[in-house]
Amino acid sequence: EAGVAQSPRYKIIEKRQSVAFWCNPISGHATLYWYQQILGQGPKLLIQFQNNGVVDDSQLPKDRFSAERLKGVDSTLKIQPAKLEDSAVYLCASSLGDRVETQYFGPGTRLLVL
Amino acid sequence: DAKTTQPPSMDCAEGRAANLPCNHSTISGNEYVYWYRQIHSQGPQYIIHGLKNNETNEMASLIITEDRKSSTLILPHATLRDTAVYYCIVKTGANSKLTFGKGITLSVRP
Repeated sequence: EAGVAQSPRYKIIEKRQSVAFWCNPISGHATLYWYQQILGQGPKLLIQFQNNGVVDDSQLPKDRFSAERLKGVDSTLKIQPAKLEDSAVYLCASSLGDRVETQYFGPGTRLLVL
Repeated sequence: DAKTTQPPSMDCAEGRAANLPCNHSTISGNEYVYWYRQIHSQGPQYIIHGLKNNETNEMASLIITEDRKSSTLILPHATLRDTAVYYCIVKTGANSKLTFGKGITLSVRP
């Protein structure tokens, strides 16, 4: 079974530029998550989708971050404009339903904002 | 979700058991203890979870004290590949939202 795919794996941009990350979840997984992991900290949930609807986006900085999951499969996370403090690893995860133990993570996209 | 406390780091020798502690003194009766680990440059990986009984799977064992205020994750025969950050998370099973702390960094030495 293929895992959660993310691209790109690495991205370097300058502050105030825009960037987008892509995630392809495990086939058949209805729930998709985006997490932000700053160096030295645990991952923080940014947004959770159930199919193509948003379940929780309470920690998403909506003035600069946006995410969509068209057709309930792939998802993109965008930052516009980027700030220095957005430097982090962005992890995508997916799960069959709403059970913690079925949540699988992708390898992440490492973003550096200069 | 209840707060958890883990020491920042520990090490153990390869082939020996690694016992990773977690305190969760404010745990509620309907909250589970979950363990995830994150190997360097990878996403977190689910290991095991339990409510009040001890649990074992192919990866690890989870020992929960009778009062449920603390637990221990046991890797019975640690290998170099077990070097990672281990997260103890306490939450209900009502939803899958995970709140990670800083975890404990386990270093397995040859």
